[in-house]
Amino acid sequence: QVQLVQSGAEVRKPGASVKVSCKASGYTFTSYDINWVRQATGQGLEWMGWMNPNSGNTGYAQKFQGRVTITRNTSISTAYMEVSSLRSEDTAVYYCARGRIEYTYWGQGTLVTVSS
Amino acid sequence: QSVLTQPPSASGTPGQRVTISCSGSSSNIGSNYVYWYQQLPGTAPKLLIYRKNQRPSGVPDRFSGSKSGTSASLAISGLRSEDEADYYCAVWDDSLSGPVFGGGTKLTVL
Repeated sequence: QVQLVQSGAEVRKPGASVKVSCKASGYTFTSYDINWVRQATGQGLEWMGWMNPNSGNTGYAQKFQGRVTITRNTSISTAYMEVSSLRSEDTAVYYCARGRIEYTYWGQGTLVTVSS
Repeated sequence: QSVLTQPPSASGTPGQRVTISCSGSSSNIGSNYVYWYQQLPGTAPKLLIYRKNQRPSGVPDRFSGSKSGTSASLAISGLRSEDEADYYCAVWDDSLSGPVFGGGTKLTVL
């Protein structure tokens, strides 16, 4: 069955970076886009960016341009999302999701806490 | 401030029909499919409606979507206690070259 399994919770200080992984199984990793969506506590969903695992092409929401980088390692069917220059407002649950906007499968979410 | 506008809350009693609206513009709802997601507390969102009012396997036909111009709606008929959740609309925005989400609507079953 299709699964997206994300790495565990992280705590970082302001100004640091964090890299979250999303390991895909149960399908051909290079056949579907991977997107990243975040959700601050008690807030709504916010799209961050996407990646085509086959070509490596990426696209980012304007808000995150230059601060977020999405990469992949096709040999282990894993996508990564790195956020740099973290600030307290980046504290949120980060989700990976399969597809362009039709997100049938989601990771379980990774809580990233930014605190001094 | 979300590009798509949803009411922050909605409510209904068991068995009732409720609708949740999602208002956008010509660059998103006006020209692309609308998707709806349900999010239960502490869990990842779940796809409810996609493309032209289609439901993934396992989603009951009590859930339906519609669109008119630059607005869309999610209707839930025969409301049940397990429908109590947050609901989000999502649509591709041609101007932003990416998907946008509504702010979400918290549905309470009274």
